Amino acid sequence: GDSVTQMEGPVTLSEEAFLTINCTYTATGYPSLFWYVQYPGEGLQLLLKATKADDKGSNKGFEATYRKETTSFHLEKGSVQVSDSAVYFCALSDWAPKETSGSRLTFGEGTQLTVNP
Amino acid sequence: NAGVTQTPKFQVLKTGQSMTLQCAQDMNHEYMSWYRQDPGMGLRLIHYSVGAGITDQGEVPNGYNVSRSTTEDFPLRLLSAAPSQTSVYFCASSYSSYTDTEAFFGQGTRLTVV
Repeated sequence: GDSVTQMEGPVTLSEEAFLTINCTYTATGYPSLFWYVQYPGEGLQLLLKATKADDKGSNKGFEATYRKETTSFHLEKGSVQVSDSAVYFCALSDWAPKETSGSRLTFGEGTQLTVNP
Repeated sequence: NAGVTQTPKFQVLKTGQSMTLQCAQDMNHEYMSWYRQDPGMGLRLIHYSVGAGITDQGEVPNGYNVSRSTTEDFPLRLLSAAPSQTSVYFCASSYSSYTDTEAFFGQGTRLTVV
């Protein structure tokens, strides 16, 4: 079945440091890929997405490129801020086995990011 | 501008008790789903629905029931609570069931089973 693997955390950085969070996936079909972010005490919210190979998703200074050849979707940001401290989830969306069941999201384990001033 | 609303936010149950976690969305979304979040395991899909009257099982459905009688509501029922069901539960909705659609999440229900 589908699966998503994220780099082990937690990750602690100083403000203005470069961020990379690795994400690799396994899927039987042609999934869409997402990064969701969870701030303390809140639900998840979409950060960025890419729907086909070589697409780059970007938002709020974060970027990720859909690499089919390496089955990866690594998250990067050139200069992190204290306000970026959160848990980041890589996810893929693929079709369920039954035709009437629509798509299903599969999440990675999540990576806790702490940015210190 | 409520989005996805979950109630209650916190709940403590005794083993064997039953309860219903409520989820409502006001965005007229067709697709709704329930996840549980456990440390080191990300979010795992429990049940989902592509429209009123249609539900299906996700990755971890045992011990949970759902129904979808309206577009807006998608309650999750715990039939006989067990300590293994201690978790944070998230409800989500999407405009469609296509793979490229963004999911909108509620704020979660923290459930403890003692």
